[in-house]
Amino acid sequence: DAKTTQPPSMDCAEGRAANLPCNHSTISGNEYVYWYRQIHSQGPQYIIHGLKNNETNEMASLIITEDRKSSTLILPHATLRDTAVYYCIVRVASAGGTSYGKLTFGQGTILTVHP
Amino acid sequence: GAVVSQHPSRVICKSGTSVKIECRSLDFQATTMFWYRQFPKQSLMLMATSNEGSKATYEQGVEKDKFLINHASLTLSTLTVTSAHPEDSSFYICSARGQGIEKLFFGSGTQLSVL
Repeated sequence: DAKTTQPPSMDCAEGRAANLPCNHSTISGNEYVYWYRQIHSQGPQYIIHGLKNNETNEMASLIITEDRKSSTLILPHATLRDTAVYYCIVRVASAGGTSYGKLTFGQGTILTVHP
Repeated sequence: GAVVSQHPSRVICKSGTSVKIECRSLDFQATTMFWYRQFPKQSLMLMATSNEGSKATYEQGVEKDKFLINHASLTLSTLTVTSAHPEDSSFYICSARGQGIEKLFFGSGTQLSVL
């Protein structure tokens, strides 16, 4: 799976949009971009994923550049409860193999939302 | 969304004893389950992958005789830390994937403290 690069930490004011970048310059055509977050002492929580089109759900928006070498996760109105470590993960989407679905976590971005 | 239940959430044990951690998929059949370990201020490290009815596949450096994984049914996987030592103290997290489901769902984690 392609390696990702994220800034180690970011700050955001409550109520403002949080834009978390991720570089995945070696991504392959069949690899999806996934975002998870981990609030302290809890298991990771799925946020969103996409292949090449921009995606939006109730939690966030995912913007993927046209060359797919980078993406941005957008939390439109950050709250204090969004303070967490955000992981950008690139993974092959095709089925098959007993380890299909395996996620390899990097160091992620520590997002701190302050009042 | 799908729910993965992990128990216990916290366990303290004496050195040399064995500890069992359970991971259950509550509303879907988990064809594959993954076990992760996380040390303080570090990212999640994959320990092993288990597929229902077959032997687990361990990542390099993970002792299969020390970390016993059983995935006997489509809704339950267990991780047993045998002869636990203080260096095994860590946050253990399970995740599960269902047939045809792209994303992984994570348990809430188990904090193991070995005295």
